[in-house]
Amino acid sequence: DIQMTQSPSSLSASVGDRVTITCRASQTISNYLNWYQQKPGKAPKLLIYFASSLQSGVPSRFSGSGSGTDFTLTISSLQPEDFATYYCQQSYTTPRTFGQGTKVEI
Amino acid sequence: QVQLVQSGAEVKKPGASVKVSCKASGYTFTGYYMHWVRQAPGQGLEWMGWINPNSGGTNYAQKFQGRITMTRDTSISTAYMELSSLRSDDTAVYYCASEEVFQNWFDPWGQGTLVTVSS
Repeated sequence: DIQMTQSPSSLSASVGDRVTITCRASQTISNYLNWYQQKPGKAPKLLIYFASSLQSGVPSRFSGSGSGTDFTLTISSLQPEDFATYYCQQSYTTPRTFGQGTKVEI
Repeated sequence: QVQLVQSGAEVKKPGASVKVSCKASGYTFTGYYMHWVRQAPGQGLEWMGWINPNSGGTNYAQKFQGRITMTRDTSISTAYMELSSLRSDDTAVYYCASEEVFQNWFDPWGQGTLVTVSS
């Protein structure tokens, strides 16, 4: 199975900060990497697919980059509604493994 | 709009089975794979498997082999996930999530179904 490792596991930030979350795959996955946002008590929501494509309706302050094994999710200017947990997921093969999550807190 | 609506919360005893449903609307049911993902309390997301609603073909995570069955009823655009021999560590929120063929991402997701396993 492909292991997905996110860092950090949690971070504290303020409104307006630039936030970067990294995700590393245990083997190459090309650009088959998705990012999801999850708020407490809610289902995950797709933010980014194919490593860098922004899902329709997602604010442009979210961006993704990377290919191969190393990927990044960036929030250019953190907003109050962005405090949540973020997960990466590889869709290169099954099982479709997720990272352990990164909790973004105030 | 495209949405998935899941069945309600369940409480089961250890050793029992649970069957969770996921009704799709707003899109062609047979054109999207249906995945199941679970999340134990305070934990991350765990992929369980998928079903191809068109063919009925399935692919289960090794961890659940022998205990999980995914089925579908195309006449009512509904997918089902049944987990048997429940243990306390199966207590989790179970999500369905659809993946359009060749799109490689999960969207939308159902609202989640809490399954509690307790004696």
